[in-house]
Amino acid sequence: DIQMTQSPSTLSASVGDRVRITCRASQPIDTWVAWYQQKPGKAPKLLIYDAYTLESGAPSRFSGSGSGTEFTLTISSLQPDDFATYFCQEYNNYSRTFGQGTKVEI
Amino acid sequence: EVQLVESGGGLVQPGGSLRLSCVASGFSFSVYWMSWVRQAPGKGLEWVANINQDGSEEYYMDSVKGRFTISRDSGKNSVYLEMTNLRAEDTAVYYCARDERVVFLGFDYWGQGTLVTVSS
Repeated sequence: DIQMTQSPSTLSASVGDRVRITCRASQPIDTWVAWYQQKPGKAPKLLIYDAYTLESGAPSRFSGSGSGTEFTLTISSLQPDDFATYFCQEYNNYSRTFGQGTKVEI
Repeated sequence: EVQLVESGGGLVQPGGSLRLSCVASGFSFSVYWMSWVRQAPGKGLEWVANINQDGSEEYYMDSVKGRFTISRDSGKNSVYLEMTNLRAEDTAVYYCARDERVVFLGFDYWGQGTLVTVSS
């Protein structure tokens, strides 16, 4: 099974900061990665799929990059609404494994 | 409007069973795979299982194989998760999510979740 190792687990940042979150896959998975944002008590929200495709309605300050085993979610200028937990997800074959999550806090 | 509404959660003793349901509306249910995802209190997301459009293919995370069964009823626009031999570590909010149609483009719709608590 593919494992997704996400880092950091917690990230302290300020409004306006550029933020990067990384996911490493245990084996090459092309660009089969999605990214989600989750706020407390709510279901996750899809931000990015296929490593870099922005989901309809997601703000353009979110971007994704990477292929193979290294993937990055970037927030170009952190906004107050972005303080949340972010998860990567692989979808090689029919598994849908998530990374451990990164909490972005002030 | 796409909606996924889960039900069936509750308190169950270790070794017990529970059946979760998810009713879908606002889209053509029969052409999508569906998944269950869970989240233990204060923890991350865990994909649990998924099922293809006609119910002929099912996939599970290792720790639930042999204990959980995913199924669907397209006539009722519903997907189910039958959970048996429940353990304390199965305690979580369980979400259903819309999976792929032809190719996977992320879980674009999620339910609100239903809480399962396994405790004596």
